[in-house]
Amino acid sequence: QKEVEQDPGPLSVPEGAIVSLNCTYSNSAFQYFMWYRQYSRKGPELLMYTYSSGNKEDGRFTAQVDKSSKYISLFIRDSQPSDSATYLCAMNMASYDKVIFGPGTSLSVIP
Amino acid sequence: DTGVSQDPRHKITKRGQNVTFRCDPISEHNRLYWYRQTLGQGPEFLTYFQNEAQLEKSRLLSDRFSAERPKGSFSTLEIQRTEQGDSAMYLCASRETGRDTQYFGPGTRLTVL
Repeated sequence: QKEVEQDPGPLSVPEGAIVSLNCTYSNSAFQYFMWYRQYSRKGPELLMYTYSSGNKEDGRFTAQVDKSSKYISLFIRDSQPSDSATYLCAMNMASYDKVIFGPGTSLSVIP
Repeated sequence: DTGVSQDPRHKITKRGQNVTFRCDPISEHNRLYWYRQTLGQGPEFLTYFQNEAQLEKSRLLSDRFSAERPKGSFSTLEIQRTEQGDSAMYLCASRETGRDTQYFGPGTRLTVL
């Protein structure tokens, strides 16, 4: 079993849809949780960062963390074609530590 | 541009050749990380530096791989006697002391023929 599992893709939604992306993890020592967006042939770009259970909102993006269930989610409201990318969940045990990534979910938002 | 930069962006080499990649972190970021990403997978940790000291190396980093950060600024990753399995995107990230997040460069895409 991998340390971080992510919903397999690809995911295709119409423009304006609400998107839900999910990850589970096995190591309860993970304390910091991130979502990165990666466009094709580019480096990952940090979208959301949180270190506590609960919700964190930033514009159209909401990150949700449930440490008791070892489950994190990213919600995208009013999805846009420019949101088409691979979304990587990521986590680490300490903020300075190496980051462990999920395999990514490819999202296509169709106009 | 004040982000993390990597050079070259693309490298094609023949099996058995040596290659070296360079990473320039964001200025004054004391931690520098190397990751490798293969197609359809998330990045996997290779090694990281605190200033010039290499603090951790993954088991993925075989003896053919070596990384340096001689003056605590830019870093190089060298792969000796490349193999086809080394074909991947090599990503560099940096982090500022006291900050929580790592910022990634655009990566170097290596193709070993």
